[in-house]
Amino acid sequence: EDQVTQSPEALRLQEGESSSLNCSYTVSGLRGLFWYRQDPGKGPEFLFTLYSAGEEKEKERLKATLTKKESFLHITAPKPEDSATYLCAVRTAYGGATNKLIFGTGTLLAVQP
Amino acid sequence: DAGITQSPRHKVTETGTPVTLRCHQTENHRYMYWYRQDPGHGLRLIHYSYGVKDTDKGEVSDGYSVSRSKTEDFLLTLESATSSQTSVYFCAISEASGSLNEQFFGPGTRLTVL
Repeated sequence: EDQVTQSPEALRLQEGESSSLNCSYTVSGLRGLFWYRQDPGKGPEFLFTLYSAGEEKEKERLKATLTKKESFLHITAPKPEDSATYLCAVRTAYGGATNKLIFGTGTLLAVQP
Repeated sequence: DAGITQSPRHKVTETGTPVTLRCHQTENHRYMYWYRQDPGHGLRLIHYSYGVKDTDKGEVSDGYSVSRSKTEDFLLTLESATSSQTSVYFCAISEASGSLNEQFFGPGTRLTVL
């Protein structure tokens, strides 16, 4: 069964304290891995798409990387405004043309000033 | 921001009553999706549409139906709401088939079934 697991469930950092969030997956043929940010009371906001092992993408203080088994979202020198829930999702070979995604349960990040 | 609106944004209803949630997009995207989000479960796909009048079931479709009569509108109906359908519902859109396009999400509808 296709599965996406995110860890840790929650992470508390001090402002400026860099860290990484993990998304591990067991799927039948990965066709894309997606990272989203979700603020309380809002819909998920798209951050990155990664397609193949070794690929990296960056946006401000965030960098996403991908291996054959997992993805990491690295947060460098975080600020309080980076506090949010970060969601990971995968598209599998069996998602077909409908682009269906399987989501993890997210990591709740809190950055304290 | 992707042009996606959901209505209503909040709704409280009673068990056994019908409820319809609306998703409206201005992006002319082909694919539309309804998800529910519950603590400990993440986002779970209810139904999706791959064109006008073309819909299919997701992983948690029992108790829900959908309709899409226009490209821009995707309706989710709970024929007889139950307390287990209390949740936050998100609509998403995606551009095209056969390519690795991300989904863009609406602001959500918080539904409470008493």
